[in-house]
Parts: sequence; structure tokens; C-alpha cells
Amino acid sequence: SQKIEQNSEALNIQEGKTATLTCNYTNYSPAYLQWYRQDPGRGPVFLLLIRENEKEKRKERLKVTFDTTLKQSLFHITASQPADSATYLCALGLDYKLSFGAGTTVTVRA
Amino acid sequence: DTAVSQTPKYLVTQMGNDKSIKCEQNLGHDTMYWYKQDSKKFLKIMFSYNNKELIINETVPNRFSPKSPDKAHLNLHINSLELGDSAVYFCASSQRTGHETQYFGPGTRLLVL
Repeated sequence: SQKIEQNSEALNIQEGKTATLTCNYTNYSPAYLQWYRQDPGRGPVFLLLIRENEKEKRKERLKVTFDTTLKQSLFHITASQPADSATYLCALGLDYKLSFGAGTTVTVRA
Repeated sequence: DTAVSQTPKYLVTQMGNDKSIKCEQNLGHDTMYWYKQDSKKFLKIMFSYNNKELIINETVPNRFSPKSPDKAHLNLHINSLELGDSAVYFCASSQRTGHETQYFGPGTRLLVL
């Protein structure tokens, strides 16, 4: 069966450090992969999209990599700030649908 | 200037009742979705409509019935509510079917007692 796993439920890091989140999937061949941010009590907000033929995408302090051989995406937040504290969801796109992982909650300590 | 809005924000009701959740988007998008986020935070697609036409219908009990009166609105009606229906329901929209970026509403927190 298809499965999407995000590395850990929670990640605590010091301000200024880089947070690295992992998204692994099995039994999928997604056309693209997305990362969303979700704050408590709010809906997910789109951050980045990377397609199956792309290796890396950047947006400001965010970087996403996509390895279709390893079936893995890494999401990096560099120079992290307390305002980056949130839950980050990876989502695989296939057949007009998005399938989400359970998310990793990042807490950035000042 | 809310992009995707949902009402109500909170819904507390008894088992067996029927309830509706409404969603509206002012982005001019063609495609709208309903997702359910359970207590373990998994976000799962339930339905998708493109320009009032149903295009995705996941394995959802037929107590759940979506209705799209026009492409800017997608409502969700739930009959005979059960305890397991308690969750957060999110509406989302995208420019068109297959367009990747989805814009989510704030969610409706449903609690069935």
C-alpha cells in the first residue's frame, strides 16, 4: 500500500540553525512533491513545489530536494527563526490528487 | 479579502444529527476540494469538484454529500453524524484540476458528542 512518512513528529532547534525535515514515500511515483506549512488552528499554506525531474528548489531561506531513486524529499529551513515554528507537511501529487504526510512540528528556540 | 472561507468555524452536535459546512472561494479557481484532518493530523482528500462537476470521490461513507451550486462554492452535508466524524474539515481550491498549488480555508472543527 502507499505510504508517506515524515521523519519525526517533532523537531526542536536553536534559532539560527538549519532545520532538516525528511519525507519518505513508498509505492508512489508522484509527478511532483509539495511542502506546506500549517500553524495551529489554521489551514495549510503552500510553500514550495518540486517536480519529478527536478533535484532542488529554493525560496528565500527554504530549500527542497527530491530524489526519486531514494523516494525521498528533504526540506531545509536555514537561519531558522522562532517565527518558523509550525507544522510542515509534505504532499505527493499524482492523478490530480494530493496525498499528505502526517507532518513534522518544528519548534525554534530563541 | 479572504481567499477561501468556511462556515462555521466550530460545530458541536449530537450523534445522529445532520449538519452542513459551507465553503466559498473568491480566487476565481475552477477546482475545489474537501479534506478531513483527523486527530493524528493526517490530511485526507474526500472530494474534488471542477466547475461544479465531481471529479474525485474517495472512499467516503455516503452519509457525506458534497454540493457545488457554482464554481465558487462547495458545501458538505453530513447525515446521521457519528462519533468518528469528529475532525477538522478543510476546504481548498486550485486554479484548475491538475494545477498543483492548493489554497486552504481555515477549517471547520466538528465535534460529535
